[in-house]
Order: sequence, then structure tokens, then C-alpha cells
Amino acid sequence: QVQLVESGGGVVQPGGSLRLSCAASGFTFSSYGMHWVRQAPGKGLEWVAFIRYDGSYKNYADSVKGRFTISRDNSKNTLYLQMNSLRADDTAVFYCAKDRGAAAASGFDYWGQGTLVTVSS
Amino acid sequence: DIQMTQSPSSLSASVGDRVTITCRASQGISNYLAWFQQKPGKAPKSLIYGASRLQSGVPSKFSGSGSGTDFTLTISSLQPEDFATYYCQQYNSYPITFGQGTRLEIK
Repeated sequence: QVQLVESGGGVVQPGGSLRLSCAASGFTFSSYGMHWVRQAPGKGLEWVAFIRYDGSYKNYADSVKGRFTISRDNSKNTLYLQMNSLRADDTAVFYCAKDRGAAAASGFDYWGQGTLVTVSS
Repeated sequence: DIQMTQSPSSLSASVGDRVTITCRASQGISNYLAWFQQKPGKAPKSLIYGASRLQSGVPSKFSGSGSGTDFTLTISSLQPEDFATYYCQQYNSYPITFGQGTRLEIK
């Protein structure tokens, strides 16, 4: 069965960096687009970034553009989110999600359990 | 950006009831609309995509309809496990956007 397991969350100071990972199993990872979505405490869902199956196309929310970088290693079945210049309003649970398609957003079908990122001094 | 507006923001219903949640897009999105269920402290779960197509394993008590700008999620014969927050999402264009959520509570 499809499994997505995020890791790498934690507490970081404002201005700091963190790299999240999402280990995928149960499907052919290299054939599907992937997303990151976040949820601030007590708030709704916010899409963060998308990467095409082969990494050739990426798209970001304006709120993270220039600070976050999505990437993937298909040989390791792992999705990443490098987060730099973190701010207090980046505090959230970060979820990775599998897309139904390969090259363009076709809807999410599976989600990971999430990893909490707290930006605080 | 496409704004997604759900109504109502919260809803009280009883076990056995049938409820409908509405989602409106600020511009046409064809049928690129999905619905998710989220329970407290848990990850969202995919219910419907393509406005009306049921995710594998989701019971048929959940149904979706609509196209263009107006969409609905209907849940029939509510059971205790259905009380949760529901989100719509458009994936017609970037940035992908979500509705603000509808909290479904037990009356």
C-alpha cells in the first residue's frame, strides 16, 4: 500500500534553515508528481510546492518562493523540501502528498502523516 | 489566484442526517475540484477528485457534483466517524488553493 513518511521537522530559530524529507513506498515514485502542503496551528490547508515526476518542473506558492526549494531523488524514492530564511509564520505541520498524475497537477490521492516545523527564538 | 469559498463554515447535524457542503470558485475551474476530510490531529484524507469521482476505498455515501464555479459535497446517512472538517481544493491552475474548511459537528 502507498506510504508517505515525512521527517526532518523540529524547532528552528527565525532566519534558520531546515530540510524536510518524505520517504515514499508502495508505488512507482518516479512516475508521479509530488506536493508539499502545510497547515499552521488551528488553520486551514495551504499548498506549498509541486514537482514533476522527473524533477524538470517545479511550482511554488508566492509565500515561499525564493526561500523554499522542492526536489526529489527518484533513486531513493524520496521527496525533499529545503526551507531557508524561516519566519515565525512558517510554523506549521508540513505534509507531502502524491499526485495522481506525472507532469501536471491532477489531484492528490495520498498524504503523509505530517511533520511539525516550529520557528521560534 | 483562484479563491475557493466554502459554505457553511460550520454545520451541526445528527447521526443519520444527509448534509451538503458548497464550494464556490472565484473563476471557472472546469471539474478540477477535489474534496478532503480531516480529523483532529490527523492528515487529510482524499475523498473525491474530478468534482465527482470517488477515491478508491471511499464509501459511496460521499458524493460530489458541479462544474465551472459551483460544487457540492453530499454526505448521506451521517455516522459518528464522519464528523470532521472538510476542505475543497482546486487544481485547475497554480497556485493550487483550498477552501477555508467546513467543520461538521454532532448536534
